[in-house]
Amino acid sequence: DVKVTQSSRYLVKRTGEKVFLECVQDMDHENMFWYRQDPGLGLRLIYFSYDVKMKEKGDIPEGYSVSREKKERFSLILESASTNQTSMYLCASTETDTQYFGPGTRLTVL
Amino acid sequence: DQQVKQNSPSLSVQEGRISILNCDYTNSMFDYFLWYKKYPAEGPTFLISISSIKDKNEDGRFTVFLNKSAKHLSLHIVPSQPGDSAVYFCAASARFRGSTLGRLYFGRGTQLTVWP
Repeated sequence: DVKVTQSSRYLVKRTGEKVFLECVQDMDHENMFWYRQDPGLGLRLIYFSYDVKMKEKGDIPEGYSVSREKKERFSLILESASTNQTSMYLCASTETDTQYFGPGTRLTVL
Repeated sequence: DQQVKQNSPSLSVQEGRISILNCDYTNSMFDYFLWYKKYPAEGPTFLISISSIKDKNEDGRFTVFLNKSAKHLSLHIVPSQPGDSAVYFCAASARFRGSTLGRLYFGRGTQLTVWP
């Protein structure tokens, strides 16, 4: 079974804090993705990576950065958290025909 | 500009009946389509997919139909069950490097409610 894990299910942070969201997949997938999901807006792509040390901007990269030092791990970084970054964050990795998602991190920024 | 659209934000169906969820896309380069199901506070779960070389794919109670000329696909659930109540997302992709699935473009989702 493909497994994508995320470091936290729920997180509460304060405005201005630096936030790290970690994602690990155990299937040796090359492609990994970070999305955020907001009601009525669907899943919006923040960043993705097709290989180690490689990253590409998605549709809404502003206020975020990523790191991929190892193939199995893809981190999303909020440099200075703001209240409009309160959301559900979803990590995914891709096999040939399917994209698999982690359980999500519900981030609240106060 | 949204390349994948789900124009119905919600759908309510009686248990045992057919649920039909619709999805439209604009990019003619898309050649692979997927449906996901999502419960609150969980990640999306893959349901079924279809390649552009087919017009139908079936898996148990779930069938996806693809109409390439209309750039339209639909997910049929028969019979619908209360446990099917969830948000359903349609996604599309253009094959990357010839075979690997590239980034997905998602619709905004349809909330399906199946009532007894």
